[in-house]
Amino acid sequence: EAGVTQFPSHSVIEKGQTVTLRCDPISGHDNLYWYRRVMGKEIKFLLHFVKESKQDESGMPNNRFLAERTGGTYSTLKVQPAELEDSGVYFCASSSSKLSTGELFFGEGSRLTVL
Amino acid sequence: AQSVTQLDSHVSVSEGTPVLLRCNYSSSYSPSLFWYVQHPNKGLQLLLKYTSAATLVKGINGFEAEFKKSETSFHLTKPSAHMSDAAEYFCVVTDPSGGYNKLIFGAGTRLAVHP
Repeated sequence: EAGVTQFPSHSVIEKGQTVTLRCDPISGHDNLYWYRRVMGKEIKFLLHFVKESKQDESGMPNNRFLAERTGGTYSTLKVQPAELEDSGVYFCASSSSKLSTGELFFGEGSRLTVL
Repeated sequence: AQSVTQLDSHVSVSEGTPVLLRCNYSSSYSPSLFWYVQHPNKGLQLLLKYTSAATLVKGINGFEAEFKKSETSFHLTKPSAHMSDAAEYFCVVTDPSGGYNKLIFGAGTRLAVHP
């Protein structure tokens, strides 16, 4: 069974440009999460989808970030326009509603570098 | 509010010696606690979890952790380190205000294992 896959693995862009990160969760997982690790800091929650609906987006830093999950399958996270402080690793995770709490399956992350 | 503090950012051990990675938590609820591990170029993987059952929790690859309420600790141990244990380890608590899959991460501990 394929795990959570993220694309791209690494993106380097200039300040002001746009980047879109993609996450494909494990097939059948209704829950999809985005987390972020900014350099030198803790991994922080960004948002949570249940199927195509945003369950909790309290961690989204500002309106330059837009997450979508059309059709309840893969998700995209767009940063527009990117700022220097957006650099970091963006993790996607998924889980089944039937699993115990806290058991998330994480992707390898998308490393974003904003110059 | 929930939080976790990992007391060491880096730990270095020799192969075959015990591993101790320290974590203290703060919680106004009965917490659910986890350890996740990230090997180089891999996604985060659940190592073990505590959810108010047995206080000594066994995980994968010979790791275990003991929940000590009196000390608000959840230290991770392994009797004998292996080279393949070199990775970054995260102590995690759930944030019940956001549902039990909203995770709060510690800053991480990098474990180095020397021959």
